[in-house]
Amino acid sequence: DGGITQSPKYLFRKEGQNVTLSCEQNLNHDAMYWYRQDPGQGLRLIYYSQIVNDFQKGDIAEGYSVSREKKESFPLTVTSAQKNPTAFYLCASSIVGLAGGPYNEQFFGPGTRLTVL
Amino acid sequence: AQSVTQLDSQVPVFEEAPVELRCNYSSSVSVYLFWYVQYPNQGLQLLLKYLSGSTLVKGINGFEAEFNKSQTSFHLRKPSVHISDTAEYFCAVSDRYYGGSQGNLIFGKGTKLSVKP
Repeated sequence: DGGITQSPKYLFRKEGQNVTLSCEQNLNHDAMYWYRQDPGQGLRLIYYSQIVNDFQKGDIAEGYSVSREKKESFPLTVTSAQKNPTAFYLCASSIVGLAGGPYNEQFFGPGTRLTVL
Repeated sequence: AQSVTQLDSQVPVFEEAPVELRCNYSSSVSVYLFWYVQYPNQGLQLLLKYLSGSTLVKGINGFEAEFNKSQTSFHLRKPSVHISDTAEYFCAVSDRYYGGSQGNLIFGKGTKLSVKP
């Protein structure tokens, strides 16, 4: 079955530690995204990548880093510089096409809940 | 800049009653519109999307939405809800013209639908 997997489902971090959240997709999608979700805030874009070895900052990139070495994988590192990292993190992917095409439907993974102790 | 406003943060309703979840957007260009559903501690699942054509869009689980360009609205409706419809619902918009960050989805803050027996 094609889809997006995120691991782990729950993650606990001590203050001052970096942690990496995994996101893998087998949908053959070019674009991948990371969102942060807080209660009552909706989804806020952290980083996105439209092609391997390239990625762009979203609205709240400070304190986060990403890499895109393979088409299938887009790991997110939450660094110690992120002041309030406790949140639900969602990874998504979509195809990329020509302008005007219906290419913005994003498919989401099940999420990782990060808690800072 | 684009924005999405979901007018109600919480909507309580009794089982078998009709429901409407409201969504308004602002954009200077033509758009695609989406509704997603999120069950507790899960990722987002696409309910329906408006890309072009008929302004009345039917989705999964008996939901439908109507695109109203003059009122810049995309309200979600269901004629008779079930307990299993209890979830959070997100409206999202993206530019029709894809390029750089223009194709990214902008999400509303969500509406929690609570269906009571």
